[in-house]
Amino acid sequence: AQSVAQPEDQVNVAEGNPLTVKCTYSVSGNPYLFWYVQYPNRGLQFLLKYITGDNLVKGSYGFEAEFNKSQTSFHLKKPSALVSDSALYFCAVRDMGGLTGGGNKLTFGTGTQLKVEL
Amino acid sequence: EAGVTQSPTHLIKTRGQQATLRCSPISGHTSVYWYQQALGLGLQFLLWYDEGEERNRGNFPPRFSGRQFPNYSSELNVNALELEDSALYLCASSLLLAASEQYFGPGTRLTVT
Repeated sequence: AQSVAQPEDQVNVAEGNPLTVKCTYSVSGNPYLFWYVQYPNRGLQFLLKYITGDNLVKGSYGFEAEFNKSQTSFHLKKPSALVSDSALYFCAVRDMGGLTGGGNKLTFGTGTQLKVEL
Repeated sequence: EAGVTQSPTHLIKTRGQQATLRCSPISGHTSVYWYQQALGLGLQFLLWYDEGEERNRGNFPPRFSGRQFPNYSSELNVNALELEDSALYLCASSLLLAASEQYFGPGTRLTVT
């Protein structure tokens, strides 16, 4: 069974400072990893994904994520945080065996609330 | 390009009633997924449809069911509503490729009283 852990319920950072939102995963094979953001009373917006290749993935709105296979981590990062980045962030994983195994679902972490203050 | 749309935005039902939620995927996407986001429980996978067939379902009772129409839109039906069914129901769509990201609609807020 696949699982995702987001160890921090909330991350606080000052505007202009770098931010990191942590994510670790567990899958039986190789993972597909995703980050999504959710603003209040809205659906989830796709930020970025790791499929294969370069361990540093760049996504929307200046976000990037670093895949580390040995640590089974996929942390979300941004060099300079904005107040408008304040939202709920979800990490998700899909097992690469998904289609044939009927398991194309995403398994989500519990979410990390990011608060960026002036 | 239009995104995933869901209707209604809000739905209020009484315990024991039935609820029907609707979703239209992004044009060209054949896969539709349903997720439940309940307070304190996070995002839980409900159902996956592709080409009109149910491909996978999560750990939910049979009173949660749905279908996908020939135009790839989808319905989620919840029978015999219980108070704990109150949640935000999110629909997502994607291409049928393992590496494809899912795009989410704004959700339907279901309240059971």
